[in-house]
Amino acid sequence: QKEVEQNSGPLSVPEGAIASLNCTYSDRGSQSFFWYRQYSGKSPELIMSIYSNGDKEDGRFTAQLNKASQYVSLLIRDSQPSDSATYLCAAAYSGGGADGLTFGKGTHLIIQP
Amino acid sequence: EPEVTQTPSHQVTQMGQEVILRCVPISNHLYFYWYRQILGQKVEFLVSFYNNEISEKSEIFDDQFSVERPDGSNFTLKIRSTKLEDSAMYFCASTYAGAYYEQYFGPGTRLTVT
Repeated sequence: QKEVEQNSGPLSVPEGAIASLNCTYSDRGSQSFFWYRQYSGKSPELIMSIYSNGDKEDGRFTAQLNKASQYVSLLIRDSQPSDSATYLCAAAYSGGGADGLTFGKGTHLIIQP
Repeated sequence: EPEVTQTPSHQVTQMGQEVILRCVPISNHLYFYWYRQILGQKVEFLVSFYNNEISEKSEIFDDQFSVERPDGSNFTLKIRSTKLEDSAMYFCASTYAGAYYEQYFGPGTRLTVT
């Protein structure tokens, strides 16, 4: 059974600080990982993807992957009130197009002005 | 920027009725997906579709569900005999080979079964 685990939060972070979101996955064979942002009542919006161990940066966002520890994280620098949302971690097993994504329940992030 | 579109945005149906949810994937994408999200719960994979056939399906995708690409643009999910527990947001997603299969989601259809 493939599982992705996230702390549901809420995680409260002051504006301008770094928000750190974490995720673990159960299937060691998982190949690729994704972070989505979901505002209340809206669809998931892709923020970052990561496939290799280490860090991947895109603007204010940094994704980190540690396959040995089966751990994925997302850092958001200079947090803005508009970053307040639920952040979903997802894993794909084979990394191919047929894969359905396995999602975690999401972490609710609140950025305090 | 190209987007996945879905219609209708909200569908209300009675238990036992058939519903068809429609999606138009991004035009150069080759893989299509359906997911559902019951209120307050996580997003769950239903089915993936490539080259006019199902590639992978989850345990949720039982005989009451079917998918079809009736023409060059639409991708549909049919639920034959709806149950109360089918009430959820249904998301369509698509991707293309070479993008590490990053999946882009449509806005969703809220299905309410009464």
